Amino acid sequence: GAVVSQHPSWVICKSGTSVKIECRSLDFQATTMFWYRQFPKQSLMLMATSNEGSKATYEQGVEKDKFLINHASLTLSTLTVTSAHPEDSSFYICSAREVFNQPQHFGDGTRLSIL
Amino acid sequence: AQTVTQSQPEMSVQEAETVTLSCTYDTSENNYYLFWYKQPPSRQMILVIRQEAYKQQNATENRFSVNFQKAAKSFSLKISDSQLGDTAMYFCAFMVSGTYKYIFGTGTRLKVLA
Repeated sequence: GAVVSQHPSWVICKSGTSVKIECRSLDFQATTMFWYRQFPKQSLMLMATSNEGSKATYEQGVEKDKFLINHASLTLSTLTVTSAHPEDSSFYICSAREVFNQPQHFGDGTRLSIL
Repeated sequence: AQTVTQSQPEMSVQEAETVTLSCTYDTSENNYYLFWYKQPPSRQMILVIRQEAYKQQNATENRFSVNFQKAAKSFSLKISDSQLGDTAMYFCAFMVSGTYKYIFGTGTRLKVLA
């Protein structure tokens, strides 16, 4: 149980384009979903937290107009990297949690490469 | 503010041997949760084990067990009978009860040698 699916797993695109990453909870309803960024050989950095039907809460230093998050249903959250540039290249990971105090379950991650 | 420290950037262990990964944390909270996650080369984060701070008994999951020392703010992970599939990055994480945010350590890269 508690499977989180993230798509796509790898994307390469040109600078200036927008990229959408999907995160789905497959067998549970996720009241809260999280988006992380991970640089090579480093820990996960929380970017934002989203609750179904409400606006995402962004961490300090994360541009909300750059990283658009939508959590339209209890099983789907999307992260759109707008006008992506090479410095946005990274590994993006989503996670989902069913209720308070339960562990987060992570997706497989998306490797984003901006040329 | 809470912090999580993993002082061992890299470790290696022979197959079938036992290894302990250390994690210390700093908090003024009394009710919280601690987790160990594993991130293998496939990159998906997998929950290994979880400990509630109010429980004195150390959590155990098959070959994985923790040594939770609340007073010392220490939360080490012991892997017994290490297997090649245990090769991964291991992250210690902390979460205050009733909140949503994880505080991750910087990770320990474990390599199990054949």
